[in-house]
Amino acid sequence: KAGVTQTPRYLIKTRGQQVTLSCSPISGHRSVSWYQQTPGQGLQFLFEYFSETQRNKGNFPGRFSGRQFSNSRSEMNVSTLELGDSALYLCASSLQRGLDTQYFGPGTRLTVL
Amino acid sequence: KNEVEQSPQNLTAQEGEFITINCSYSVGISALHWLQQHPGGGIVSLFMLSSGKKKHGRLIATINIQEKHSSLHITASHPRDSAVYICAVGNTGNQFYFGTGTSLTVIP
Repeated sequence: KAGVTQTPRYLIKTRGQQVTLSCSPISGHRSVSWYQQTPGQGLQFLFEYFSETQRNKGNFPGRFSGRQFSNSRSEMNVSTLELGDSALYLCASSLQRGLDTQYFGPGTRLTVL
Repeated sequence: KNEVEQSPQNLTAQEGEFITINCSYSVGISALHWLQQHPGGGIVSLFMLSSGKKKHGRLIATINIQEKHSSLHITASHPRDSAVYICAVGNTGNQFYFGTGTSLTVIP
């Protein structure tokens, strides 16, 4: 089976712009979670989608949003980018919610100038 | 206060040594995960635990629910084990909290 894929792998944007990141889960996986990783804050949970519905959201401003499609692919969007949004954005998929192993994608490295 | 505390933050070992990384948490959990992250960013899930002990090759993970503590052990460490090891807990609301990670360097 193919692993979790994320596109693009690298992205450079300027402050005020918006960005959309994409995540394709492992075939058959229905849960997709998104995480932000920065040197200062480490890994932080952004949100989780399951069956096209956002089931959980971390402590991030409303500029961060996402969605999941019927084929379980997910996108996350960040509007009005700030310098502090520069980070590695990781998505992970699992078969089900809760007690299930998560499989991580390689991440998208976002740089905001 | 962080919901998940890991120790040590940095660890250097000689090849062949037995290594222990500790994780303490303060939230009610449904499961605890040990993750491995190599330079470049890729994260691999090593273990998911809700009780007891699991073993995979030279890696052993244990959890004590009453004490809210987990340990990751690496027996006969090897340079390829050099990575950042992250403890993550999933609560009953399916939110994840992460430790700050333990950076392990194994010297040949």
